[in-house]
Amino acid sequence: GQSLEQPSEVTAVEGAIVQINCTYQTSGFYGLSWYQQHDGGAPTFLSYNALDGLEETGRFSSFLSRSDSYGYLLLQELQMKDSASYFCLERLGGKLIFGQGTELSVKP
Amino acid sequence: DVKVTQSSRYLVKRTGEKVFLECVQDMDHENMFWYRQDPGLGLRLIYFSYDVKMKEKGDIPEGYSVSREKKERFSLILESASTNQTSMYLCASTSGDTEAFFGQGTRLTVV
Repeated sequence: GQSLEQPSEVTAVEGAIVQINCTYQTSGFYGLSWYQQHDGGAPTFLSYNALDGLEETGRFSSFLSRSDSYGYLLLQELQMKDSASYFCLERLGGKLIFGQGTELSVKP
Repeated sequence: DVKVTQSSRYLVKRTGEKVFLECVQDMDHENMFWYRQDPGLGLRLIYFSYDVKMKEKGDIPEGYSVSREKKERFSLILESASTNQTSMYLCASTSGDTEAFFGQGTRLTVV
């Protein structure tokens, strides 16, 4: 079964803040990554958390709580170009396993 | 600029054909992966390789095989293509736990 759970879609307005959650499988956990994919494009890396806490990169931040097997991606000051699919990813042994993706729609 | 290159962007093949999808990376990465992406199902791992001539099954290996004869090249083989293998195929490479780099994908249609 799917070891990573994330919402299938989220809608927000320009300028807002949105949080995309991800729960993951605990055994063999190394860290949680986030990727962005625009329609027809390749996934591109956004951030990685190996330890608890917040990692900030510009408008995007990612958070991890190992005790809760949970992480999230926070997008601030949303822009129309942020409309895309967002995936959480974990490494299990040698595998890189993706969540099913959250489609973010940013409205004017 | 790091690069993962997939041999074809679009491919149309007939049922029963043997299909080769090629992926080349220029970053000297040990680990390479093949995924397929279908609407509503996300990216599902087909096979991965952590070294030359080494391969491991992912979550959906049935109907596929792989070859890694050189470090930079990882090939996905559809032994006898079927219509349910119509999909977007993505190759990725990584050297460790953090960032994976993806090719642009091959959209395969089996008719």
